[in-house]
Amino acid sequence: GAVVSQHPSWVICKSGTSVKIECRSLDFQATTMFWYRQFPKQSLMLMATSNEGSKATYEQGVEKDKFLINHASLTLSTLTVTSAHPEDSSFYICSAWGTSGEETQYFGPGTRLLVL
Amino acid sequence: RKEVEQDPGPFNVPEGATVAFNCTYSNSASQSFFWYRQDCRKEPKLLMSVYSSGNEDGRFTAQLNRASQYISLLIRDSKLSDSATYLCVVNEGTYKYIFGTGTRLKVLA
Repeated sequence: GAVVSQHPSWVICKSGTSVKIECRSLDFQATTMFWYRQFPKQSLMLMATSNEGSKATYEQGVEKDKFLINHASLTLSTLTVTSAHPEDSSFYICSAWGTSGEETQYFGPGTRLLVL
Repeated sequence: RKEVEQDPGPFNVPEGATVAFNCTYSNSASQSFFWYRQDCRKEPKLLMSVYSSGNEDGRFTAQLNRASQYISLLIRDSKLSDSATYLCVVNEGTYKYIFGTGTRLKVLA
């Protein structure tokens, strides 16, 4: 199936730090990528839809100035958590829409963020 | 009512058992349906799509009932490696995926 990578896989940072997470589609072009957040024992919650060359579309309740998304190329989207606080600690997962076999979303391995 | 509902479990079953999960969805206009598997601290991985006619992949069978708005996943001859959380995913159109909270399965030796 389609391959999506994320970097870094783990981040531990101090409160107030900004953290940048990269999401790459390795073997296909993705005009649309998605950013999710998952808290323990909860379902994935869509944060925003990232569109190549245009502004991201944020879900209700997600602060666009806090979670900056940049989709500068067809294979790379970045999520920057600005001035992270402990309540931002979560599992952040990106996905990209692909048509490798099944036409569905393919997920990156996720980034676990811990803000101290 | 949640858009996609699943019994969180856990379902504890012995090896070799048959286990079934259901998932209900609220939006009758939902377009496509999937089961994903998520292992602890890992990303979700597509297990199978769910078609109106039902589909089978080895020990796994998925079915869709549009009239009652639910999908099901049946696992036969459970293996220890089947232990995971199974996520029901409903596509409401144009990339809009709604995830259930998942059903935890533990297959016991």
